[in-house]
Amino acid sequence: KAGVTQTPRYLIKTRGQQVTLSCSPISGHRSVSWYQQTPGQGLQFLFEYFSETQRNKGNFPGRFSGRQFSNSRSEMNVSTLELGDSALYLCASSLGQGSGANVLTFGAGSRLTVL
Amino acid sequence: DAKTTQPTSMDCAEGRAANLPCNHSTISGNEYVYWYRQIHSQGPQYIIHGLKNNETNEMASLIITEDRKSSTLILPHATLRDTAVYYCIVRPLGWRDDKIIFGKGTRLHILP
Repeated sequence: KAGVTQTPRYLIKTRGQQVTLSCSPISGHRSVSWYQQTPGQGLQFLFEYFSETQRNKGNFPGRFSGRQFSNSRSEMNVSTLELGDSALYLCASSLGQGSGANVLTFGAGSRLTVL
Repeated sequence: DAKTTQPTSMDCAEGRAANLPCNHSTISGNEYVYWYRQIHSQGPQYIIHGLKNNETNEMASLIITEDRKSSTLILPHATLRDTAVYYCIVRPLGWRDDKIIFGKGTRLHILP
């Protein structure tokens, strides 16, 4: 079956702009979580959605937001971009409930560069 | 704050078993231990998980101590392709306020 698909894979933005990243989970997976990865901070949890509801949220400012649609696809948005937002953004999907609920399957990531 | 502690880096000779430790001394009774690895610039890949019994699959074995405060991931015959950053995380199975914390992981170098 198809894996987790993230689009776009690469993008360049300038400070002050906003960006939207998309994640299509594995078919049947109802949970999507998002992460920011930078060389200095490692892999940091942004938020997790299950059945269109945000279930958990990491310690990021309100400029970072997300949503999940009825088909489980998810988007995350970063507004008023800062240089420090340059990172690899990863999403992962999981069943969200039942046996193996929390086994995460990651996408390849979207690499954002802010100039 | 990370719920797990791992060594920053480890070396292992090719063909030997790689044993990666993880400390999770504050683990709760309903929290599972999960292991993932990330090869350079790719998304992390699931390896194995367990609650209290030892587990084995085609990739690795997971040994969890009886008190569940630590675990070891074992790659039985390490190859150069196992060079990666390995993450150990703990998560409950059920619904809960649960930030998914990966920490910095262990950078495993397989030496030819």
